[in-house]
Amino acid sequence: QVQVVESGGGVVQPGRSLRLSCATSGFAFGNYGMHWVRQAPGKGLEWVSLVWHDGGKKYYADSVKGRFTISRDNSNNVVYLQMNSLRDEDTAIYYCAVWFGQYEYFEHWGQGTLVTVSS
Amino acid sequence: QTVVTQEPSFSVSPGGTVTLTCGLSSGSVSTSYYPSWYQHTPGQTPRTLIYNTNTRSSGVPDRFSGSILGSKAALTITGAQADDESTYYCVLYMSSGIWVFGGGTKLTVL
Repeated sequence: QVQVVESGGGVVQPGRSLRLSCATSGFAFGNYGMHWVRQAPGKGLEWVSLVWHDGGKKYYADSVKGRFTISRDNSNNVVYLQMNSLRDEDTAIYYCAVWFGQYEYFEHWGQGTLVTVSS
Repeated sequence: QTVVTQEPSFSVSPGGTVTLTCGLSSGSVSTSYYPSWYQHTPGQTPRTLIYNTNTRSSGVPDRFSGSILGSKAALTITGAQADDESTYYCVLYMSSGIWVFGGGTKLTVL
């Protein structure tokens, strides 16, 4: 059974950094790209970032480009999101999901981890 | 910047049929955008319903169907049930490694 579990959220001051983790099991992690998606309070879902199965390519939404870095550890089946220079508008629940690249969609979502950026 | 448009809200009676749509601020949605649909209830994990325009994800009942209607992608729910009350998001793949969510449609079943 596929499991996707995010962690690392918390309260952080504006301008500071935080690293989220997404631990997975139950599937061939090294064969799949992984996405991060977020939902700010009272807002809709927003795509954040994708990393290819081998970490060879990475993509970012304009809203986080230059501040967030996605990475992965295929030995431990984990994907990370390093968030720097955090802003109030980065406050959100961050979800991890598996990328099914053949049809460009998200599957096997985690339960999310809450990041609150506040002074 | 491309905006993916959805109805902010919709209402359907129990047992009824509703069609939610997903458009573009400029241009038409086609299968080349690989439209997908997700159900998200606050406090719960998002659920994948439809991918590649009209393919149901595993375990999704056939009450949910996807299509292209005119210039938009569409999600049709037939025989609406109380637990279908949720927010539904479409996502379009814009190519070059960019995915864009619509603003979501909050569906009320009453």
